[in-house]
Amino acid sequence: DAGITQSPRYKITETGRQVTLMCHQTWSHSYMFWYRQDLGHGLRLIYYSAAADITDKGEVPDGYVVSRSKTENFPLTLESATRSQTSVYFCASSESIWGGNQPQHFGDGTRLSIL
Amino acid sequence: KQEVTQIPAALSVPEGENLVLNCSFTDSAIYNLQWFRQDPGKGLTSLLLIQSSQREQTSGRLNASLDKSSGRSTLYIAASQPGDSATYLCAVRGSGYALNFGKGTSLLVTP
Repeated sequence: DAGITQSPRYKITETGRQVTLMCHQTWSHSYMFWYRQDLGHGLRLIYYSAAADITDKGEVPDGYVVSRSKTENFPLTLESATRSQTSVYFCASSESIWGGNQPQHFGDGTRLSIL
Repeated sequence: KQEVTQIPAALSVPEGENLVLNCSFTDSAIYNLQWFRQDPGKGLTSLLLIQSSQREQTSGRLNASLDKSSGRSTLYIAASQPGDSATYLCAVRGSGYALNFGKGTSLLVTP
């Protein structure tokens, strides 16, 4: 089915471990985004990508690494997980960000708990 | 920094009522404004997108308006149904790439 798929849906890990969250989209959208959603903060942008091999930081990038070797995939890696990174992570994509008429489409999220 | 505020934080209405959700933002230099629905434990579903040059958008029982100069948007839901119960999020895109989100309005429609 077309859309954005995030995996895993749920993940529990321990502090200090490396964990990778996967995001795959079937629309061939150029732009992809990672947000985290926390009570009291709403959704905040972690990283975004304008195309394969082009990525840049968002509002809260510390402790995260991204890559985009293929247009359809945009994995997010926590290099050494901390409890403050317990959150719900959403991947999104957009065909374009120019012109103002392209919505961002979101996946179902990954619920990550770090013990 | 763009600040997006949604009022009220929670709302409970009986089925059949028309209702309005409010969103305000501090910087009027926006590209667009998007309304989303989020069900518990689920992702965000895009409901409506209003470009900065537009005043309103409609989809079925939903109507979203935008007054960029005053930094306000409203989402009007006509003839509410229990299935409309969810959290509604307003998000504004400025000159950057990110959407700036409000904290949402949690809507409960009772039968």
